[in-house]
Amino acid sequence: EDQVTQSPEALRLQEGESSSLNCSYTVSGLRGLFWYRQDPGKGPEFLFTLYSAGEEKEKERLKATLTKKESFLHITAPKPEDSATYLCAVPKGSASKIIFGSGTRLSIRP
Amino acid sequence: NAGVTQTPKFQVLKTGQSMTLQCAQDMNHNSMYWYRQDPGMGLRLIYYSASEGTTDKGEVPNGYNVSRLNKREFSLRLESAAPSQTSVYFCASSEAPGLARYEQYFGPGTRLTVT
Repeated sequence: EDQVTQSPEALRLQEGESSSLNCSYTVSGLRGLFWYRQDPGKGPEFLFTLYSAGEEKEKERLKATLTKKESFLHITAPKPEDSATYLCAVPKGSASKIIFGSGTRLSIRP
Repeated sequence: NAGVTQTPKFQVLKTGQSMTLQCAQDMNHNSMYWYRQDPGMGLRLIYYSASEGTTDKGEVPNGYNVSRLNKREFSLRLESAAPSQTSVYFCASSEAPGLARYEQYFGPGTRLTVT
């Protein structure tokens, strides 16, 4: 069964303390992987698309990487404004259908 | 550009009542989607419309109907609301289906409670 699993469910860091979030997937014929950020009470906001193993993308303090089985979202020297839930998602079948993970709730303490 | 807009933002229904959630996008996107988000379960696809004039079932379509009114608008209807439909509903749009590079853009959500 196609599945997307994110870990940890929640992560609390001190400001400046770097860490990584994990997204593992079991989807045949991967055609890409998306990362989104979701703030409380809002809709998800697109961050990155990764297309193939070995690819990396960066945006400010965030860097996303992709292997054949999983993706990591690395957060370097985070700030309180990076606090949010981070979701990953992969297309299933046609890209019209996307499977989302349950997310990692990240909290950055000042 | 407003992006993706949804109405209403909040709604309380009694069991058995009906309602329609409205969604509109101004990005000239071809594809539109309806999701529900429940604690611990992530976003689940209810219905989608790959292009104007087409609609297809997603992962959890039971109890819902949709209408792609035109290229901009995609509505979700609950004919007879049940407490299990208490959730946050998100509408999304993307440039086109079929290729992984077409990320989805989400609206702000509708918080629905069915009592």
